[in-house]
Amino acid sequence: GENVEQHPSTLSVQEGDSAVIKCTYSDSASNYFPWYKQELGKGPQLIIDIRSNVGEKKDQRIAVTLNKTAKHFSLHITETQPEDSAVYFCAASRSGGSNYKLTFGKGTLLTVNP
Amino acid sequence: GAGVSQSPRYKVAKRGQDVALRCDPISGHVSLFWYQQALGQGPEFLTYFQNEAQLDKSGLPSDRFFAERPEGSVSTLKIQRTQQEDSAVYLCASSLAGGVIKTQYFGPGTRLLVL
Repeated sequence: GENVEQHPSTLSVQEGDSAVIKCTYSDSASNYFPWYKQELGKGPQLIIDIRSNVGEKKDQRIAVTLNKTAKHFSLHITETQPEDSAVYFCAASRSGGSNYKLTFGKGTLLTVNP
Repeated sequence: GAGVSQSPRYKVAKRGQDVALRCDPISGHVSLFWYQQALGQGPEFLTYFQNEAQLDKSGLPSDRFFAERPEGSVSTLKIQRTQQEDSAVYLCASSLAGGVIKTQYFGPGTRLLVL
């Protein structure tokens, strides 16, 4: 089955700096890669996703890049703000049938210091 | 609109007790997923429904875990004879169906503590 590795496990940045979180996956058939933000006591919330026919996607301060050859994808947050502090999870899924179950990384605790 | 809701939000059970966790998906969402999230870990897939049909239960850790969605809307995850290792957050997610992978929307989770 799919295996997703995520690094780093913790990341501390100063407000205004950029943050980068990296993930690798094992199943070359995976073609959907969402990123979720989880705040304490809440469920994961989708912040951005990318599909395998796209190399990069941007939404305001958030961008995701995908390298299918290397099976890497990364989350980039620019101009970080204290409210960006949370746990971020990458995930991978493959189409086929109708079960698009997600395989998650172990998460990155991002702390943005004011 | 209303998101995915789960109840109860917190549940404390004594080892050996049975528990039932409820998920109300977003209205109109055909697909429903259950995930288990251990402390400090990412969510792990348990089971998947399309309407009332349970199409994948490969992630259920033992036969003590049982899930149902009898009318294709509300789903219940039942854990029989709870063990301490069952302590975790149980997340429910729903999505539209279709040929292209659709976004999964998560509920707030039920935090289960087995003493």
